[in-house]
Amino acid sequence: NAGVTQTPKFQVLKTGQSMTLQCAQDMNHEYMSWYRQDPGMGLRLIHYSVGAGITDQGEVPNGYNVSRSTTEDFPLRLLSAAPSQTSVYFCASSYRRGKLFFGSGTQLSVL
Amino acid sequence: DQQVKQNSPSLSVQEGRISILNCDYTNSMFDYFLWYKKYPAEGPTFLISISSTKDKNEDGRFTVFLNKSAKHLSLHIVPSQPGDSAVYFCAASARSNFGNEKLTFGTGTRLTIIP
Repeated sequence: NAGVTQTPKFQVLKTGQSMTLQCAQDMNHEYMSWYRQDPGMGLRLIHYSVGAGITDQGEVPNGYNVSRSTTEDFPLRLLSAAPSQTSVYFCASSYRRGKLFFGSGTQLSVL
Repeated sequence: DQQVKQNSPSLSVQEGRISILNCDYTNSMFDYFLWYKKYPAEGPTFLISISSTKDKNEDGRFTVFLNKSAKHLSLHIVPSQPGDSAVYFCAASARSNFGNEKLTFGTGTRLTIIP
């Protein structure tokens, strides 16, 4: 009964470092997405995928890459971390329109 | 351009009374609306949704109302309980030509239920 699992829960990076946020779901959902939450900004869509091998950009894609090689996994890669990427990141999956199941989040600080 | 707006950052309500959370949207292509609830250090969880073909949807203590002409929706919680204290996000989506849909979230309202 894991649902959507995100790792790590916390991460501190230095400017310019790269890293990958992991996301896995065990519900066989086709739709997966990444959001970031910033104070006063709500949740903003970074990238999403409607199935293995298919990804597209959301509202704030710059500085992030994604790939979807399996139905279960949807990693988010930060290519060269910047302080503006300090945020809480949520991965979500869905089997039908709108009802997203979210992971517990990754709190990222970029110094 | 904030397409989904929650103009009240916070709201305090006495236990047992009604909580009313409001949300406005500007994009007339939105046709499906949702409310999510979020506790600290957890991901948001789905609460209730409504299609643009309806003006009301109920689920237990939670009711969502949609006024399409005013581009306004509201969430009513009756009666309010201490466990309802959380941040509530309004979200909306529009069906695209390819069948994909992306949720646009509001900035959230922090609801505090006072015992």
